[in-house]
Amino acid sequence: DAGITQSPRHKVTETGTPVTLRCHQTENHRYMYWYRQDPGHGLRLIHYSYGVKDTDKGEVSDGYSVSRSKTEDFLLTLESATSSQTSVYFCAISARQGANEQFFGPGTRLTVL
Amino acid sequence: AQSVTQLGSHVSVSEGALVLLRCNYSSSVPPYLFWYVQYPNQGLQLLLKYTTGATLVKGINGFEAEFKKSETSFHLTKPSAHMSDAAEYFCAVSEDSGYSTLTFGKGTMLLVSP
Repeated sequence: DAGITQSPRHKVTETGTPVTLRCHQTENHRYMYWYRQDPGHGLRLIHYSYGVKDTDKGEVSDGYSVSRSKTEDFLLTLESATSSQTSVYFCAISARQGANEQFFGPGTRLTVL
Repeated sequence: AQSVTQLGSHVSVSEGALVLLRCNYSSSVPPYLFWYVQYPNQGLQLLLKYTTGATLVKGINGFEAEFKKSETSFHLTKPSAHMSDAAEYFCAVSEDSGYSTLTFGKGTMLLVSP
């Protein structure tokens, strides 16, 4: 299995509070991604990174920010959590884009009350 | 822009029956195509992928898929379903162009009955 960990694995928070999710990899892959998974929507890309301090927006980036100060860590921050951000969040990594597959972490289940 | 359509949010089969999960894609350039499987409370795991070359691709656990450019399809099949195949399956497309990211379909839940 690819060395990807996510923390925390479960979190319950209240509306309006900031939340940070962490993705850590031991594979030294260049690309890292944050997705959210919701019933009926599949996986939707929030943000991705193509190198240290290089990030770009995905399909559903509003209300989220990311940072990558080291190759191995990619942080996702919900600036002011809302109930619509209740979801399962997955981190993924890949060595290159295009033909290279992505490897997924175990996910973080976030509930915003 | 690339997109993926998976026909059927749920597919039910009996153990031993053929599994057929449908995927159609849209891409302006030659695509790269993937099938992932997700077991309950787990992350996604790659089943198989098509990049170039042979259009019939074999993956893990006895699954295979055929890339049909004329039909813009990449359907997933398995000759004989096992109970352990019950999971959610996602088709995804990427492109060999710049910073192309992976676009997923909405998923198909495979239910296997004894």
